[in-house]
Amino acid sequence: GAGVSQSPSNKVTEKGKDVELRCDPISGHTALYWYRQRLGQGLEFLIYFQGNSAPDKSGLPSDRFSAERTGESVSTLTIQRTQQEDSAVYLCASSPGTSSYEQYFGPGTRLTVT
Amino acid sequence: GESVGLHLPTLSVQEGDNSIINCAYSNSASDYFIWYKQESGKGPQFIIDIRSNMDKRQGQRVTVLLNKTVKHLSLQIAATQPGDSAVYFCAENMDTDKLIFGTGTRLQVFP
Repeated sequence: GAGVSQSPSNKVTEKGKDVELRCDPISGHTALYWYRQRLGQGLEFLIYFQGNSAPDKSGLPSDRFSAERTGESVSTLTIQRTQQEDSAVYLCASSPGTSSYEQYFGPGTRLTVT
Repeated sequence: GESVGLHLPTLSVQEGDNSIINCAYSNSASDYFIWYKQESGKGPQFIIDIRSNMDKRQGQRVTVLLNKTVKHLSLQIAATQPGDSAVYFCAENMDTDKLIFGTGTRLQVFP
């Protein structure tokens, strides 16, 4: 079946511009996660959605970062006024959300801020 | 041998040898652990998991060992193959549905 998809796969933007990254989770998965991965480093948790509950935004690094999710489907991560330190791969994952902690990852969006 | 890279620790092994990748986790209350494999340019992929009521679990060519006394997790890969070359992450469950990932270890397999 279809896995987690993300778009675009690559995004180059100028410093100060806003960007939107999209994630399509696996159908039926109630939990959705966003992570940031800088070059050669581990995964940094950003935000977590579970069903209709309020999202866990505890990992968002600044108020320039925000995310939305429509029901239990698509999510968008928005970065406003991008900075060079925002350059990273942004990974999305989804999970069945009940009695399973396994997360299924998308291929990521590589963001480069010039 | 094992060496420390610029960002990630690196383990270099010869094809056919066994690999052992180690991970120290942070929270003694964590009750679930996962190993992920990340190949270059791809998202992490699930390998194997283990709950805290177990100390060993085996999969196909992989074994995970959990030592709760010292908060240590290891991944053993038998007969390592070139396709095993990747970055390996451990993750622990500290809160419902939320995983905390380790920094990762790069595995390099030489012919």
